[in-house]
Amino acid sequence: GQQLNQSPQSMFIQEGEDVSMNCTSSSIFNTWLWYKQDPGEGPVLLIALYKAGELTSNGRLTAQFGITRKDSFLNISASIPSDVGIYFCAGFPGGSYIPTFGRGTSLIVHP
Amino acid sequence: DTGVSQDPRHKITKRGQNVTFRCDPISEHNRLYWYRQTLGQGPEFLTYFQNEAQLEKSRLLSDRFSAERPKGSFSTLEIQRTEQGDSAMYLCASSFRGSGANVLTFGAGSRLTVL
Repeated sequence: GQQLNQSPQSMFIQEGEDVSMNCTSSSIFNTWLWYKQDPGEGPVLLIALYKAGELTSNGRLTAQFGITRKDSFLNISASIPSDVGIYFCAGFPGGSYIPTFGRGTSLIVHP
Repeated sequence: DTGVSQDPRHKITKRGQNVTFRCDPISEHNRLYWYRQTLGQGPEFLTYFQNEAQLEKSRLLSDRFSAERPKGSFSTLEIQRTEQGDSAMYLCASSFRGSGANVLTFGAGSRLTVL
C-alpha cells in the first residue's frame, strides 16, 4: 500500500517559536490534508490542498502542496500552548477516494 | 451542525465477546469511512461506503469484522469474538461526493478495550 513518511515524530518547543513538519510519499498524491488530533478525540481538519504548488493559510498555519506532488509541509507560526496535539498529514493517491495517513507529529509547547 | 456522531465513546469488553459501534455521519454526506487507530499510530483504513454500498475493505478487516450501512445513512461496525489485539480507537468519518470532495470529517471515535 501507499506509504507516507511524516517527520519529525515529535517536537518540544517554547511558546512563541515557529514549527515546521512535513510528509513525503513514494507516489503521487492528488490531495493533501492536514489534521490535528487532541487526546481522546477524532482528528480535526486544519487545511486541505488540491493543486501542486498550492500554498494555503489558516490563521497561524500555512501548508503547501509540493510541486512534485509527493510531499507537503505544515508550518505553525508563533506557537501557543493550545497548539499542543498530534498533527497528521493525509494524502489521496491518484484516483482513490481513500486517504492514507502519516504516523503523526506530536507537538508539545512549553509556556 | 451535528457533525459525525459515534456511539459508544468507550467500550470495555472481555475477550471473546461481540461489540458493535454505531456512526451517524453528517446528513448530506454520502461517503462513510471506518478507520482504526492504535497508540502512536495514524488512522488505518478499514472500510469505505458510498451510500449503502461497501466499495472497499482493507486486509485489516478480518472475517470477525463486519460493517453495514443499510440505508445509506448511519453505519455499524461489529467485531465478533474480540481479541486483545482489537483494542484501539475506532474512528468514523464522512465526506460529500461533490465540490470540496476528499475532505473527511471525523467523529470523536469509539475506544475499545478488550480485557
